[in-house]
Amino acid sequence: SAVISQKPSRDICQRGTSLTIQCQVDSQVTMMFWYRQQPGQSLTLIATANQGSEATYESGFVIDKFPISRPNLTFSTLTVSNMSPEDSSIYLCSVVDYNEQFFGPGTRLTVL
Amino acid sequence: GNSVTQMEGPVTLSEEAFLTINCTYTATGYPSLFWYVQYPGEGLQLLLKATKADDKGSNKGFEATYRKETTSFHLEKGSVQVSDSAVYFCALSQVGGSNYKLTFGKGTLLTVNP
Repeated sequence: SAVISQKPSRDICQRGTSLTIQCQVDSQVTMMFWYRQQPGQSLTLIATANQGSEATYESGFVIDKFPISRPNLTFSTLTVSNMSPEDSSIYLCSVVDYNEQFFGPGTRLTVL
Repeated sequence: GNSVTQMEGPVTLSEEAFLTINCTYTATGYPSLFWYVQYPGEGLQLLLKATKADDKGSNKGFEATYRKETTSFHLEKGSVQVSDSAVYFCALSQVGGSNYKLTFGKGTLLTVNP
């Protein structure tokens, strides 16, 4: 099974700043996703990270706010831009490997 | 659009009690259904899944049956252990397109006391 690590595991940021979250997988995977889990809410898909091309965003999420990079098949970054307190959430990376979806441990973001 | 509604927690049980966590869904077509578990301090893990009506997913003593007529996928375990304490998420896969875009319920926190 794929092993996923995320950095940072948590952070506290000031409003108006940006944070980049890294996701590293121990094997090459085709499909990689970014999810958000707001306090007391379910996980919501932000986007599909496509290797070598622009990410595919879900309704309600835009590239200017959540730019994503996917330079290769084992790594992706999600940036949360111009943060506000409403961006306080857990951000999770997930991948599909051998027809099963695996999730990273998440990055807990608090915006003051 | 797709949606998942699961039983609100928290749920607190004594060891060896019977567990049911209700999950119902709304989707067009025939989605695949999943239960994920998140143990304290860890990432989400797939617990079990079912891909078509009347399928039963099972793992670690947990079971759930895909009921198309009631659009439900309730999670059950006959005798819970302290180690089952975790947050449980019901989810479905998007119908059409990528089969791996998941729609999640809000999660149910289960605490099992010795």
